Amino acid sequence: EAGVVQSPRYKIIEKKQPVAFWCNPISGHNTLYWYRQNLGQGPELLIRYENEEAVDDSQLPKDRFSAERLKGVDSTLKIQPAELGDSAVYLCASSSRKIAGGNTGELFFGEGSRLTVL
Amino acid sequence: LTKTTQPISMDSYEGQEVNITCSHNNIATNDYITWYQQFPSQGPRFIIQGYKTKVTNEVASLFIPADRKSSTLSLPRVSLSDTAVYYCLVATDWGNTDKLIFGTGTRLQVFP
Repeated sequence: EAGVVQSPRYKIIEKKQPVAFWCNPISGHNTLYWYRQNLGQGPELLIRYENEEAVDDSQLPKDRFSAERLKGVDSTLKIQPAELGDSAVYLCASSSRKIAGGNTGELFFGEGSRLTVL
Repeated sequence: LTKTTQPISMDSYEGQEVNITCSHNNIATNDYITWYQQFPSQGPRFIIQGYKTKVTNEVASLFIPADRKSSTLSLPRVSLSDTAVYYCLVATDWGNTDKLIFGTGTRLQVFP
């Protein structure tokens, strides 16, 4: 079974340029997460989707970040324009159902997309 | 919001047992405790999950005391390949907003 697939693995851009990251979750996983991980820190949740609905985007910097999951399968995270502080690894994860409260389960992460903004 | 506290780093030698303790004083009644492992240039990977007492799988054991305010991940006979960052998470549910909060994790270094 294929895992969570992300692309690109690495991206180097100049500040103020746009960038987009793509994620294809595990087949059948309705819940999709985008996390950002700064060097030496744990992942921070940016947005969570249940099917095509963004049910938690409270941590997404909406002035420059956007995300979509149009058909409830793959997803795209966009930054426009990028700033120096956006340099980080962007991780996508999926799960078969919501993980919280009394629901058990695990997140499956992709390998991440490492962004460097110069 | 349930915050977890773990040691920033730990060192061990091959063949030793490693115990990493995580504090989660405000854990809610229905919350489960989950541990993830992360190698450089990879996403975190699920290790083990539990609610109370002891859980064991082929990779690790998880010990949770009766008050559930802490948990201990136990890695038996570590090898060099166990060098990684280990995260303790508590699934927190409030209102319609659910978050899986990753802390800074514990960086385990295993020496020959």
